[in-house]
Amino acid sequence: DGGITQSPKYLFRKEGQNVTLSCEQNLNHDAMYWYRQDPGQGLRLIYYSQIVNDFQKGDIAEGYSVSREKKESFPLTVTSAQKNPTAFYLCASSSVGGAKNIQYFGAGTRLSVL
Amino acid sequence: GNSVTQMEGPVTLSEEAFLTINCTYTATGYPSLFWYVQYPGEGLQLLLKATKADDKGSNKGFEATYRKETTSFHLEKGSVQVSDSAVYFCALSDLNTGNQFYFGTGTSLTVIP
Repeated sequence: DGGITQSPKYLFRKEGQNVTLSCEQNLNHDAMYWYRQDPGQGLRLIYYSQIVNDFQKGDIAEGYSVSREKKESFPLTVTSAQKNPTAFYLCASSSVGGAKNIQYFGAGTRLSVL
Repeated sequence: GNSVTQMEGPVTLSEEAFLTINCTYTATGYPSLFWYVQYPGEGLQLLLKATKADDKGSNKGFEATYRKETTSFHLEKGSVQVSDSAVYFCALSDLNTGNQFYFGTGTSLTVIP
């Protein structure tokens, strides 16, 4: 089945530790996105990428890093510089342009601090 | 700039009641409009969309009409079920600003038997 796979479903981070969230898609989409969702709040854009080897900062990129070495993969690293990382992280992908511009979401990763 | 404003929640309804969740938008170009639904602990799923003025999106008994004159895209359902309990997000995509989506803050709906 085509879709977006995020792993792990739950992740725990120790103080000073970097952790990486995985996002893989087999929809052949060019664009991929990372959002952060806090309880009772909407989605805030962290980073997005419209093509391999290129990505742009979103509204809350500080303390996060990404890479886009392959079309199907867009991992997010939460660095130790992110002082409040506890949240639900959502990855999405879309085709580029026109009527195909629909974002499809993974099931999310819930990150907590130990 | 682009933004989406949707009605504050939470909303609690009895089964078979009529649902309206208001959504208004601001856009610099000609956006496409979307409603997404999020069930507890899951990602967002596309519920319906409309790509131009006066288009009506519909799915699973839900409907929304793209009203350019009032810059609105209100979600409606004639008879809600307990299984409709979820958080609903209104969103827009404007090709003039690349492929970014702009989401509302979400409206939590609880349907009681």
